[in-house]
Amino acid sequence: DAEITQSPRHKITETGRQVTLACHQTWNHNNMFWYRQDLGHGLRLIHYSYGVQDTNKGEVSDGYSVSRSNTEDLPLTLESAASSQTSVYFCASSESAGELFFGEGSRLTVL
Amino acid sequence: DQQVKQNSPSLSVQEGRISILNCDYTNSMFDYFLWYKKYPAEGPTFLISISSIKDKNEDGRFTVFLNKSAKHLSLHIVPSQPGDSAVYFCAAPVSDYKLSFGAGTTVTVRA
Repeated sequence: DAEITQSPRHKITETGRQVTLACHQTWNHNNMFWYRQDLGHGLRLIHYSYGVQDTNKGEVSDGYSVSRSNTEDLPLTLESAASSQTSVYFCASSESAGELFFGEGSRLTVL
Repeated sequence: DQQVKQNSPSLSVQEGRISILNCDYTNSMFDYFLWYKKYPAEGPTFLISISSIKDKNEDGRFTVFLNKSAKHLSLHIVPSQPGDSAVYFCAAPVSDYKLSFGAGTTVTVRA
C-alpha cells in the first residue's frame, strides 16, 4: 500500500543545533507540504513543493528550509533550532486539489 | 490572517447525542471545504468535504452544512460514538493545492 512516512517520530535537540525531519511518500504525488501543529493555532503551513526542484514558503517559513531532489522526499531542515520551534510537524502529499494525505507526525522538542 | 476559524476549542457530548462543530471563513471565493479528523499520535485524515455550490453533504453519520451568506459551515455527527473522540479541523483551499486549516475542535464523547 502507498503511504507517507516521517522520521524521526520523536526528537529532542538543543537550541542552535541543525535538525532535519525526513518525509517519504510512495504515492508518486507531485505536491508535498510541511505543517506544524500548535495548540490554539491548528495546522500552519511551513513550506510546500509542487514538484522536483520546486519549493515555496508557507505562512510560517522563517527558520526552516526544504529541498526537493526527487518526487518521493521532502526533508524539512531547521537551520538553528529555537525553543519556539518545539512542535509537532506533519508532512502531507496530494496529487490534485483537495484531499491531503498526512504522515503520522514528528514531535520535536528544542531545549 | 487566519482565513478559516474554529472558535470553539472543545466540545463534550454524551454518546448517542448530536455533535455540532462550527467553522467560519473569510473568503467567499473558496471552491470547497474539507473536514479532517485527528487522533492522538496520528496524522490528520480526511473525513468529508463539501463543494461551494452545495449547501449539504452527507456521508453516513457525518453531515456538512454550508451557509454561504453567513460564511459558515458546520459538521454534524449523529449519533456520536466514543470512537468519534478526536480533534476536528476544517480546511479550505487558499490557492492552488494549499489548504488553510482552522485551529481545531477537540470532541470528547462521554459514555
